[in-house]
Order: sequence, then structure tokens, then C-alpha cells
Amino acid sequence: NAGVTQTPKFRILKIGQSMTLQCTQDMNHNYMYWYRQDPGMGLKLIYYSVGAGITDKGEVPNGYNVSRSTTEDFPLRLELAAPSQTSVYFCASRNPGGNYGYTFGSGTRLTVV
Amino acid sequence: GESVGLHLPTLSVQEGDNSIINCAYSNSASDYFIWYKQESGKGPQFIIDIRSNMDKRQGQRVTVLLNKTVKHLSLQIAATQPGDSAVYFCAETLSASKIIFGSGTRLSIRP
Repeated sequence: NAGVTQTPKFRILKIGQSMTLQCTQDMNHNYMYWYRQDPGMGLKLIYYSVGAGITDKGEVPNGYNVSRSTTEDFPLRLELAAPSQTSVYFCASRNPGGNYGYTFGSGTRLTVV
Repeated sequence: GESVGLHLPTLSVQEGDNSIINCAYSNSASDYFIWYKQESGKGPQFIIDIRSNMDKRQGQRVTVLLNKTVKHLSLQIAATQPGDSAVYFCAETLSASKIIFGSGTRLSIRP
């Protein structure tokens, strides 16, 4: 199993550009999450989804959008990139039952200049 | 790749010694806690978890202790090895979407 796969690994955007961070998982997990991680800070939840067709805002949703058309895929969209969105982005997934331990992707490092 | 958390507190331990990493959590209603390990350029990796009705849980070379009275969590790593070098995060869980991550501690191993 590949687990959680994120692409791209690195990206540099200019202010005002748009991009989509891709996330796919092959574990048939219902729950998927997007976090951002700034230097010296913990993970902040951007958006999450409890199943296909269902998404909800997390702690820091402004400037982002998501969709969940399939169980496997949970892309994160940045419409008008700003320097404040420079961060490392992690996608994670888990099943609803049992413990809350996530499986994380390897991250996307985004720089907005 | 470049490490995140450039200004994290750092614990430096001699190889072979035991490591103790501490975490203070914020919400007394949190009922589930997890320790994650994050190596440079990688995503966090689940290490061990503990529920609020427990005080201690042991895994392979790792032990988590929970003190609910003072809202404190610790991770003990026995016989620390070079491969244990990483940033360690605790996370407290209130619900499926309400999971609060600590900022992390960097563990550095001296040969």
C-alpha cells in the first residue's frame, strides 16, 4: 500500500497565482484532513472531510477550498496565493472507528513570493 | 529536505541513554492522546497513544505517561538510538475534527 500520497513535494508560487495540492489515499479511509505546519508551530487544521461529498472548515480555512468527490482523493485549492500561505502542507487520513491515529502524507512545501 | 520547526526546544541525549519528552496539554476534556515522530522532510508518524482512563502505556522501547491532574503527558524512549533523532509532537483529541497538536520537541542524539 502507498498510504497517503501528496503531490507536488515542492512548489513556488507568485502572489495571486492559484494551484491545487493533490492528496490521495489507498486505505479506504473515510476521514481525510488538510493541515499546515509553520516553523516552530504545531499543525493547524485547514479543512477536513468525513466522507465523499462532505467537507467542513477547520481552524484556518481562509484562502483555501477543498472538494471530496471520491473516497480516495481530497485536493486542496489555493485561489489567490499570499505570502502568509507559505508553509508545509500535510494531508492525513484515518478510519472513523477505533483510535484517532492518522496516516500522514510526506507533505508539500509551498513558498509564495 | 529542510526541517520544519527551526526554533523548537531541543533535547540532546547521549546514544544509549533514555529520553524523556514532555508535553503540557490544554483541555481537561481531551480523552485521547497521541505521540507522533516527524523526521526531516517527512510527515508525522504515529508512535503510541493513550486514552484518558489510563496512566501509562508501553510499546516497543517507548512508554507514554499521562497525568490528568496537571494535564501533562510524557514520552519515554529507552536506549535512545541515532534513528530516534526527530521532532516529537503530542496531540490531544476532543473529537474527530478537534485535535490539537503541540509545537514539538526536537530530539538530538550525541554519539
